[in-house]
Amino acid sequence: SQELEQSPQSLIVQEGKNLTINCTSSKTLYGLYWYKQKYGEGLIFLMMLQKGGEEKSHEKITAKLDEKKQQSSLHITASQPSHAGIYLCGADYTGTASKLTFGTGTRLQVTL
Amino acid sequence: EAGVAQSPRYKIIEKRQSVAFWCNPISGHATLYWYQQILGQGPKLLIQFQNNGVVDDSQLPKDRFSAERLKGVDSTLKIQPAKLEDSAVYLCASSLAEGIGTQYFGPGTRLLVL
Repeated sequence: SQELEQSPQSLIVQEGKNLTINCTSSKTLYGLYWYKQKYGEGLIFLMMLQKGGEEKSHEKITAKLDEKKQQSSLHITASQPSHAGIYLCGADYTGTASKLTFGTGTRLQVTL
Repeated sequence: EAGVAQSPRYKIIEKRQSVAFWCNPISGHATLYWYQQILGQGPKLLIQFQNNGVVDDSQLPKDRFSAERLKGVDSTLKIQPAKLEDSAVYLCASSLAEGIGTQYFGPGTRLLVL
């Protein structure tokens, strides 16, 4: 089984709707990174969480880390077409912020 | 500030041929990473450099893959000979130093092996 599971695998939402993507780890997390990837392009850094209970926001995207559950959630408020893409979570299991283990991604489509 | 640069963006080769990818990290970033991303999967770390030294190459298939970062700046990843299963996006990332700073990724090189 995967060390890092993302759910859902894909999501289609109507513009203006809220959505949540989850990332669950089977091992202890030292840090959790969220990236966005558009087809054929590299990863764009969104946010990094390190401490249990930590919550960060950037524009309409909020990410939280639940240390007890070893889980992170990414919430998008009032989705826009520009939010479409693949959202990837990356886990730091070593505490070095180096060898990241990535989930398989959540593909988000935003319809008009 | 310029981001991580990679070239070429796309490459199509036949199996058993050789191919090389180039990466120029963000200026001042000591740590450089190469990842392989197979379609439908997350990126997998192949090799990590700190300046011109290898920190981790445990997941690099050394019988066919090689990488170097001779002057501690640019890096080259080579595959020789290529196999069909090497078809993937090869991503380069850089960070300030090991354990310091977020990893920033380049646009990737999409490789198709026929």
